[in-house]
Amino acid sequence: EVQLVESGGGLVKPGGSLRLSCAASGFTFSSYSMNWVRQAPGKGLEWVSSISSSSSYIYYADSVKGRFTISRDNAKNSLYLQMNSLRAEDTAVYYCARGGLRLGEPFDYWGQGTLVTVSS
Amino acid sequence: SYELTQPLSVSVALGQTARITCGGNNIGSKNVHWYQQKPGQAPVLVIYRDSNRPSGIPERFSGSNSGNTATLTISRAQAGDEADYYCQVWDSSTAQGVFGGGTKLTVL
Repeated sequence: EVQLVESGGGLVKPGGSLRLSCAASGFTFSSYSMNWVRQAPGKGLEWVSSISSSSSYIYYADSVKGRFTISRDNAKNSLYLQMNSLRAEDTAVYYCARGGLRLGEPFDYWGQGTLVTVSS
Repeated sequence: SYELTQPLSVSVALGQTARITCGGNNIGSKNVHWYQQKPGQAPVLVIYRDSNRPSGIPERFSGSNSGNTATLTISRAQAGDEADYYCQVWDSSTAQGVFGGGTKLTVL
């Protein structure tokens, strides 16, 4: 059974940093692209970032480019999102989602999300 | 950047057919995916690459995509289908994922 479990969310002050993790199990993690998607309270889904299976290709939404860094450790079956210079508008539930064997494929499994709150 | 437009809400009578549209410039040339999200839950993929159903998704869910509009169709709507529905594409020109704004489906 495919499982994705996010962790690392919490309350952080504007300008602060936070590192999210996503632990994957039940599939060959190193074969799949992975993604972060967020959802602000009461709002819709927003794609944040994607990373290819070997980390060769990495893409970001304009809203986080230069502040967030996606990475993965295939030996640990883990996906990460380092978030710096956080702003109030980054407040959201952050979901880890599995992509396909190539970037751009549908997000077929999602974690339950971790809440990030940016507030003073 | 590429934009996807969805109606804010769609209502359907119990047992009837609901259609949720997703508009985008020449969206027919892209692969469209649809997600269902119920309150307090993570999204679930219900249609991928325009018209394909993942295993476990009822045949009542179908999709189409042509021109500037993609459509998610839910036949014989049930109370359990009440949810927010999002369309999504990968914009290869910018290498970014794009979601529509979401449509709240109400089953009357």
